Amino acid sequence: NAGVTQTPKFRVLKTGQSMTLLCAQDMNHEYMYWYRQDPGMGLRLIHYSVGEGTTAKGEVPDGYNVSRLKKQNFLLGLESAAPSQTSVYFCASSYSMWAGWNNEQFFGPGTRLTVL
Amino acid sequence: GESVGLHLPTLSVQEGDNSIINCAYSNSASDYFIWYKQESGKGPQFIIDIRSNMDKRQGQRVTVLLNKTVKHLSLQIAATQPGDSAVYFCAENISGAQKLVFGQGTRLTINP
Repeated sequence: NAGVTQTPKFRVLKTGQSMTLLCAQDMNHEYMYWYRQDPGMGLRLIHYSVGEGTTAKGEVPDGYNVSRLKKQNFLLGLESAAPSQTSVYFCASSYSMWAGWNNEQFFGPGTRLTVL
Repeated sequence: GESVGLHLPTLSVQEGDNSIINCAYSNSASDYFIWYKQESGKGPQFIIDIRSNMDKRQGQRVTVLLNKTVKHLSLQIAATQPGDSAVYFCAENISGAQKLVFGQGTRLTINP
């Protein structure tokens, strides 16, 4: 099993450009999450999904959109990139919601995005 | 407000020694805590978890201690090895809030 994979690994955008980050998991998990990680700060939840066709806002959703058309994929879109969105983005998945006994969130390797 | 923080941003230990990484949390409604390990260029990896009705849990070479009185969490790594070099951070699940709050992390460096 590949676990959680993310594409691309690196990307540089100019302000105003758009892009989509792809997350895929092969563990048949219902729950998927997008986080951003910035220096000096903990992971912050952008959006999450509790199942195919459903999405919900997290802590910092502004400027991002997501879609979960297939159970195994969770896409994060930036419609008009801004320098404040320069960050490392992590996708995660889990069997059930949030944190629970042995309900581990499996993380992808991350996408490093720079917006100039 | 809710916050999960770390007492020390960096920690250096000798190979073979025990490491203790600390974490403070402020939300008394937190009912579940997790420690993650993040190696350079990789995503976070689950290490160990503990529920609020416990004060200690042991894994392989790792122990998590929870002191709810002072809202403090610690991760103990026994016989630290070079492969333990990473950033470690804690996360708390706030009951009813449906979210995990992550700490900033402590960088653990192992000296030969």
